Amino acid sequence: ETGVTQTPRHLVMGMTNKKSLKCEQHLGHNAMYWYKQSAKKPLELMFVYSLEERVENNSVPSRFSPECPNSSHLFLHLHTLQPEDSALYLCASSQQWAAGDEQFFGPGTRLTVL
Amino acid sequence: ELKVEQNPLFLSMQEGKNYTIYCNYSTTSDRLYWYRQDPGKSLESLFVLLSNGAVKQEGRLMASLDTKARLSTLHITAAVHDLSATYFCAVDKGQGPGAQKLVFGQGTRLTINP
Repeated sequence: ETGVTQTPRHLVMGMTNKKSLKCEQHLGHNAMYWYKQSAKKPLELMFVYSLEERVENNSVPSRFSPECPNSSHLFLHLHTLQPEDSALYLCASSQQWAAGDEQFFGPGTRLTVL
Repeated sequence: ELKVEQNPLFLSMQEGKNYTIYCNYSTTSDRLYWYRQDPGKSLESLFVLLSNGAVKQEGRLMASLDTKARLSTLHITAAVHDLSATYFCAVDKGQGPGAQKLVFGQGTRLTINP
């Protein structure tokens, strides 16, 4: 595996389900990001982790819960979601959480909430 | 609040022609990024612009940054079909060297016709 991988690629869940999205980066980077890309809004930053510590929470509802157990893995735990949470969720990583560092994106998880 | 606006949002052009995509942003920043996204795929980094007057070129694409005008342009020269994609600009609203918080534009969907 190379670059940034995400699983699953597609997920359909009910509003009462609990599921998790997984991201893994094989680049040796120290910063990881979750973004939401929905049809009617620009790509939105959700969370930033730097050296496994959460450094940014962009006013995301608590039904989204991130976890970064080590610098290579990032999870997004989902519970009690709403239909408006249906979107493409993208993970990214960069060498450091620093100005000018290039972010590398994964392929995304297409989430549908019924 | 930082706002990033791209125009046009949709662009259909013929092969061989030149065109420019514009990215305006509302507050001071000297760090701007351009990405490409193919349908169903993730974002690919194209350019990182880190200072006023920065100009970068890769093949038929050239990006520039004017921080005083809060404007970046992505110029396409002699377009070819392979450049059909959605192009995003993103501005870093992070304060100081240790932070990177990207705010994305809405994207410009470019279609190049034979």
